[in-house]
Amino acid sequence: ETGVTQSPTHLIKTRGQQVTLRCSSQSGHNTVSWYQQALGQGPQFIFQYYREEENGRGNFPPRFSGLQFPNYSSELNVNALELDDSALYLCASNEGAPYNEQFFGPGTRLTVL
Amino acid sequence: DQQVKQNSPSLSVQEGRISILNCDYTNSMFDYFLWYKKYPAEGPTFLISISSIKDKNEDGRFTVFLNKSAKHLSLHIVPSQPGDSAVYFCAAKKGGANSKLTFGKGITLSVRP
Repeated sequence: ETGVTQSPTHLIKTRGQQVTLRCSSQSGHNTVSWYQQALGQGPQFIFQYYREEENGRGNFPPRFSGLQFPNYSSELNVNALELDDSALYLCASNEGAPYNEQFFGPGTRLTVL
Repeated sequence: DQQVKQNSPSLSVQEGRISILNCDYTNSMFDYFLWYKKYPAEGPTFLISISSIKDKNEDGRFTVFLNKSAKHLSLHIVPSQPGDSAVYFCAAKKGGANSKLTFGKGITLSVRP
């Protein structure tokens, strides 16, 4: 059983640019969640996808969007990057039921200059 | 608004002693609580959880206590080991169709040999 993987590990962008972060969920996990962890803070829920449909969203603007694919991979897209978007972005996957354990990937460190 | 609070940013204990990590929450709709451990450059890993219908859950060296009236939970690690040195996040979940977790800011535990 492979774990959750994320790419790239690190990324540097400038303000106004767009970025796509990728996640490969654990095999068989049809739910993926994305979190943003700013420095010194806990992870904050961005949104969740279940069977390729958005299934819950946190307090993030529409320029944060996502996609989930049938092969257990997913993307987080952020448009019009701002300095405050600099953070560690984590994805987590679990089997459908909401109380099932979530398995986290190692994260992508995004720096916006 | 910080719905899950970990007010102590750090804790240092001697190897073999007990580590007690505290967490408070404000939202009475939370019905499930979890502790995650995070090492540098890795994603959070699930440690232990407790449902709101229980007041204690034990798993080896780790015990979580829940005091619903005080909206307080604590994680006890006995005996503490140097390998337990990590950041510990308290997280909470409300009932509903998605797996959204609300995290605290984390506590850095250092276990001295």
